[in-house]
Amino acid sequence: EAQVTQNPRYLITVTGKKLTVTCSQNMNHEYMSWYRQDPGLGLRQIYYSMNVEVTDKGDVPEGYKVSRKEKRNFPLILESPSPNQTSLYFCASRSSGAGYNEQFFGPGTRLTVL
Amino acid sequence: AQTVTQSQPEMSVQEAETVTLSCTYDTSESDYYLFWYKQPPSRQMILVIRQEAYKQQNATENRFSVNFQKAAKSFSLKISDSQLGDAAMYFCAYRSGGGSNYKLTFGKGTLLTVNP
Repeated sequence: EAQVTQNPRYLITVTGKKLTVTCSQNMNHEYMSWYRQDPGLGLRQIYYSMNVEVTDKGDVPEGYKVSRKEKRNFPLILESPSPNQTSLYFCASRSSGAGYNEQFFGPGTRLTVL
Repeated sequence: AQTVTQSQPEMSVQEAETVTLSCTYDTSESDYYLFWYKQPPSRQMILVIRQEAYKQQNATENRFSVNFQKAAKSFSLKISDSQLGDAAMYFCAYRSGGGSNYKLTFGKGTLLTVNP
């Protein structure tokens, strides 16, 4: 089954404790992205990757890091989480081919930083 | 930069009735895609319908249809014969068909309530 998986689905942590949210896709997609969703703000892109070892900042990258060492994985790293990073996070992927290519979303990770 | 505006934070509709959710966007591009996503309480992002900007015909998917007004940069979603399962947050989204096609730009969302 074609899917994007994220782990963990729920996480409660404390300020300053490094954490990683994993994202994996099984569709051989080139493009992968991380979004955060906050009430009244919709979804905003944090980082994106166009292929292995190619990553760039989205609209709200402060406080986050990413890496793309393998095509299927795109982890989101919070090296020193703060309460303002409490949010719902989505990983997404799609093919880079010409024309329309469906975007696949992971199930979301609910992060609370105390 | 592209922007997407949903001016209705909340809407409600009676079961079996029709409701229209509004969305406007701003872009200088001619090649792009527009989407409506549904987010039920499970939080999963579900694609409801998409529209390619080069297509004049409005997209339809069963009870869901759009009114795409390219010149006015308007992209509304009509839900006919509303069902209880339609209750969700709905997001309008834009994606470039060209160089910046690596991201979706979302509106802030409209929370739809369906009353029995």
